[in-house]
Amino acid sequence: SQTIHQWPATLVQPVGSPLSLECTVEGTSNPNLYWYRQAAGRGLQLLFYSVGIGQISSEVPQNLSASRPQDRQFILSSKKLLLSDSGFYLCAWNLHREAWDGYTFGSGTRLTIV
Amino acid sequence: RKEVEQDPGPFNVPEGATVAFNCTYSNSASQSFFWYRQDCRKEPKLLMSVYSSGNEDGRFTAQLNRASQYISLLIRDSKLSDSATYLCVVAASGTYKYIFGTGTRLKVLA
Repeated sequence: SQTIHQWPATLVQPVGSPLSLECTVEGTSNPNLYWYRQAAGRGLQLLFYSVGIGQISSEVPQNLSASRPQDRQFILSSKKLLLSDSGFYLCAWNLHREAWDGYTFGSGTRLTIV
Repeated sequence: RKEVEQDPGPFNVPEGATVAFNCTYSNSASQSFFWYRQDCRKEPKLLMSVYSSGNEDGRFTAQLNRASQYISLLIRDSKLSDSATYLCVVAASGTYKYIFGTGTRLKVLA
């Protein structure tokens, strides 16, 4: 069966520090991968998605970036974190090219910028 | 107008009650519809897809009204364990992007 792993579960970082969050999917190949952020009391915002190795689409211009170095690995990064980057970061995957199947989310990383 | 709108609630209902949530969407080209459940400080989990003809899964029934551009979720015989936030999700054909509503919070009371 397929599983998605995301770490760390919680993270406290100072303003201006770098960030690297990792997500991996097991039990499948060529998944679509997504990074979402959920700010406190707000809806989920799509940050990046990827349909293949090295293919990244950005949905919002900001100080975050994403990379997909391997088929089942998706990394969210920042060189300098802002206070506004605090939130619940969720990685998700699905398989089909059309939006017919729901996403499966990882357990998320709760990021607090201090 | 938001792409996906939900009443934030909370809906406070007694155990055993029937409760319904609606969600409206603005993009008439939307083709895929889902309800997700999110427990406090957890990741959203797929509850059910919403099909054109409507569909049922145990105590949960989902309906789609394309003419009025809304979907609904009906929960019968509410359980304490149904307490959560319910997220409406919409996607247009040919897109990888799902649009999430901000959720409706349900509290089932003993």
